[in-house]
Amino acid sequence: KAGVTQTPRYLIKTRGQQVTLSCSPISGHRSVSWYQQTPGQGLQFLFEYFSETQRNKGNFPGRFSGRQFSNSRSEMNVSTLELGDSALYLCASTADGSYEQYFGPGTRLTVT
Amino acid sequence: AQTVTQSQPEMSVQEAETVTLSCTYDTSESDYYLFWYKQPPSRQMILVIRQEAYKQQNATENRFSVNFQKAAKSFSLKISDSQLGDAAMYFCAYRSWRYNNNDMRFGAGTRLTVKP
Repeated sequence: KAGVTQTPRYLIKTRGQQVTLSCSPISGHRSVSWYQQTPGQGLQFLFEYFSETQRNKGNFPGRFSGRQFSNSRSEMNVSTLELGDSALYLCASTADGSYEQYFGPGTRLTVT
Repeated sequence: AQTVTQSQPEMSVQEAETVTLSCTYDTSESDYYLFWYKQPPSRQMILVIRQEAYKQQNATENRFSVNFQKAAKSFSLKISDSQLGDAAMYFCAYRSWRYNNNDMRFGAGTRLTVKP
């Protein structure tokens, strides 16, 4: 099976802009979780989508949002970008009934 | 809320030697899952080993094994016969038993250097 894929791999944006990141889970996995990784805060949970519904949410401002499509692909959006949003954004997929998360390669977002 | 602590920001080991990475966690749950993930310079998070809290037997995956002490809330990773390819950031992670909650909590990570 193909692994989790994320696009784009690298992104440079300017403060105030918005950005959309995409994640395709492993085939058959319906749960997609998103994480933000920064040197200062480490790995932090953003949200989880399951069967097109947000199932869990971390402690991030409303500028961070996401959605999931019927084919389980997920997107996350960050509006009004701030310098502090510069990070590696990781998504992970989980099979139904499993507890193991498999990660994609991440999207490196740089906000200037 | 569950928290995960890795008290060793950096560790170093000689090739072919054994190294142990420490992890402690705090939780009020009696059942949960613990993981060690490896993140090499490529940034891809790779699952190294997992442990179910209800299992008393320590998990083992080839050269990787854990020492799970539930009462002490400790979950250390032992890497035997260290190889150059083991050099990476290692993250300890906690996941609730709840099947509908894939919110994982990570420690700050330990950077492992392997010396030839």
